[in-house]
Amino acid sequence: DAKTTQPTSMDCAEGRAANLPCNHSTISGNEYVYWYRQIHSQGPQYIIHGLKNNETNEMASLIITEDRKSSTLILPHATLRDTAVYYCIVRSTDKLIFGTGTRLQVFP
Amino acid sequence: GAVVSQHPSWVICKSGTSVKIECRSLDFQATTMFWYRQFPKQSLMLMATSNEGSKATYEQGVEKDKFLINHASLTLSTLTVTSAHPEDSSFYICSASPRDRVNEKLFFGSGTQLSVL
Repeated sequence: DAKTTQPTSMDCAEGRAANLPCNHSTISGNEYVYWYRQIHSQGPQYIIHGLKNNETNEMASLIITEDRKSSTLILPHATLRDTAVYYCIVRSTDKLIFGTGTRLQVFP
Repeated sequence: GAVVSQHPSWVICKSGTSVKIECRSLDFQATTMFWYRQFPKQSLMLMATSNEGSKATYEQGVEKDKFLINHASLTLSTLTVTSAHPEDSSFYICSASPRDRVNEKLFFGSGTQLSVL
């Protein structure tokens, strides 16, 4: 699986959009981009995934660049409950291999 | 959505004892389940892939005799930490998917916090 690079931490004001970047410059054509988040002492929660098209669901939007070398997870209106570690994962097999993720802190 | 249940949520045991953790897919069948461990302030590390009806596949550096995995049915996988020691204290998490495809999301259990005294 291709390696991903994410900022270690980010802050976001409550009610504002949180834009979490992910670099995956070595991604290959059959690899999907997945986003999960983990709130302290809980199992990871699925957010969204995509291959090459932008995706949106009730939780977030995923913007993948045309060359697929990077992506951005957008939480449109962050709340305090969105404080968590967000993992961007590139997946080509049935396994999910987690990197270090971005610790997002949403503040009032 | 699909639910993966993990039990117990937390367990405290004495050094040298064995601990069993269960992972169940509640509303779907899973031929494959995955076991992770997580130390404080670190990311999840994949330990092994549990395969229904066959032997588990362990990641490099994970002792298969230490971490016994049994996937006896399409809805249940168990991880047994044998002769646990304090360094085995960790957060153990399982995951599963209704279909083993790269474009199908994996669902995670709520995790088991193991503390070995």
